[in-house]
Amino acid sequence: GQNIDQPTEMTATEGAIVQINCTYQTSGFNGLFWYQQHAGEAPTFLSYNVLDGLEEKGRFSSFLSRSKGYSYLLLKELQMKDSASYLCAVLDSNYQLIWGAGTKLIIKP
Amino acid sequence: IAGITQAPTSQILAAGRRMTLRCTQDMRHNAMYWYRQDLGLGLRLIHYSNTAGTTGKGEVPDGYSVSRANTDDFPLTLASAVPSQTSVYFCASSEKGEDNEQFFGPGTRLTVL
Repeated sequence: GQNIDQPTEMTATEGAIVQINCTYQTSGFNGLFWYQQHAGEAPTFLSYNVLDGLEEKGRFSSFLSRSKGYSYLLLKELQMKDSASYLCAVLDSNYQLIWGAGTKLIIKP
Repeated sequence: IAGITQAPTSQILAAGRRMTLRCTQDMRHNAMYWYRQDLGLGLRLIHYSNTAGTTGKGEVPDGYSVSRANTDDFPLTLASAVPSQTSVYFCASSEKGEDNEQFFGPGTRLTVL
């Protein structure tokens, strides 16, 4: 079966750095997405990785290791508005997007 | 309209009733999707359409139908609602296909009693 694993919940302090991990087991791989979803709102796109390595976009970075079936989202200089759920999704060999259940990130002052 | 809109925002429905959730996008995106989101589970794809006139089944299509008569509209119909269809429904679109960023509508919260 296909599986995406993410921690259910994480807590971090305003101004700090947090790393949200995602491991996957899918039938093939055509890319990995990270989305942000604030409570009661729609998911919004953060990043897309298809090659190994780190992609940096402002305070957010996303890393991919295809050989390990692993990705992480790194958030720096955390702000209260970063409190949200972070969704990892993998595009499998059939170009079907398989979604993780999401990681709820709580930022404390 | 800017982006994707969904209607209604929320709905309480009696079991056995027919219901159509509406989705409209103004970005001229080719691909559109319907997901349901349940607590503790990832988004699950119900149906998709890669271009106007074509549709396909996702992971959980049973009890749902879709149509794509034009580029902009992608309605989702529940022919005879059941309580297990209580969920938040998101419509999304992307320019070309699944390897493109998806843009999501605000969602419809549906409760089936």
